[in-house]
Amino acid sequence: AQSVSQHNHHVILSEAASLELGCNYSYGGTVNLFWYVQYPGQHLQLLLKYFSGDPLVKGIKGFEAEFIKSKFSFNLRKPSVQWSDTAEYFCAVNAKGNTGKLIFGQGTTLQVKP
Amino acid sequence: DADVTQTPRNRITKTGKRIMLECSQTKGHDRMYWYRQDPGLGLRLIYYSFDVKDINKGEISDGYSVSRQAQAKFSLSLESAIPNQTALYFCATSPRAGEYNEQFFGPGTRLTVL
Repeated sequence: AQSVSQHNHHVILSEAASLELGCNYSYGGTVNLFWYVQYPGQHLQLLLKYFSGDPLVKGIKGFEAEFIKSKFSFNLRKPSVQWSDTAEYFCAVNAKGNTGKLIFGQGTTLQVKP
Repeated sequence: DADVTQTPRNRITKTGKRIMLECSQTKGHDRMYWYRQDPGLGLRLIYYSFDVKDINKGEISDGYSVSRQAQAKFSLSLESAIPNQTALYFCATSPRAGEYNEQFFGPGTRLTVL
C-alpha cells in the first residue's frame, strides 16, 4: 500500500532561520506530489505541487520543494521563515492511475518564534 | 466567497446520535471527498465520489455513510456517533481525472462526540 512519511512532527524555529521539512513516500510508479499548509483555525491550502518537469518546484510565500525520484522524497524548504509561517504542513501523494486519491503524511507542526 | 462550504462548522453531540455533515461546492468539480483529521495522523480518507452515481469507500469508512445528492453536494453521516469519531472533518473537491488532481478543501467541521 502507498504511504507517506513526514519525519519531523514538531519543528520550532526562530524567525529568519532556514526550514526543511522531510517527506518520503512509498510507491514505485509515477506520482504527483503536493504540499499543503493549514494555518491555525483555517482549512488546508495548496503550497505547491509537482506533476512533471523541473524537479525543483516553487510555490507561494517563498516555499520550494525538490522531488528526488531516487530517494522517493519531496522535501519542503524555505530559506528564511517568518512568524506568519507558523502552521501545520502536510505532504501528500497521488499515484498516477490511483483515481485521484491523495495519501497524506502525518503532518508537521511548525512553530516560528518572533 | 468560499468555493467549498461545510455546515455546521462546529457540532457537539452525544453518543448514539445521528449526525449529518454537509458539503457544497461551486467549483463545478465532479469529484468530492470526505476526510477526517486527527492529531498526529494527518488526513484519512473516509469516502469519495467521482460523480453522483459513483461512491467509494476510503480507508476508514466504518461507522460512516455518505450521500451525493447532486454534483455540488456531498453529505457525510454518522449513523450512531461514538466518542472516537471526535475529529475535524474536511470536505474536498477536485476536477475530473487527469494531470490536475489537486484537491480544494472546505473550512472543516469540528465534531465532538460526548
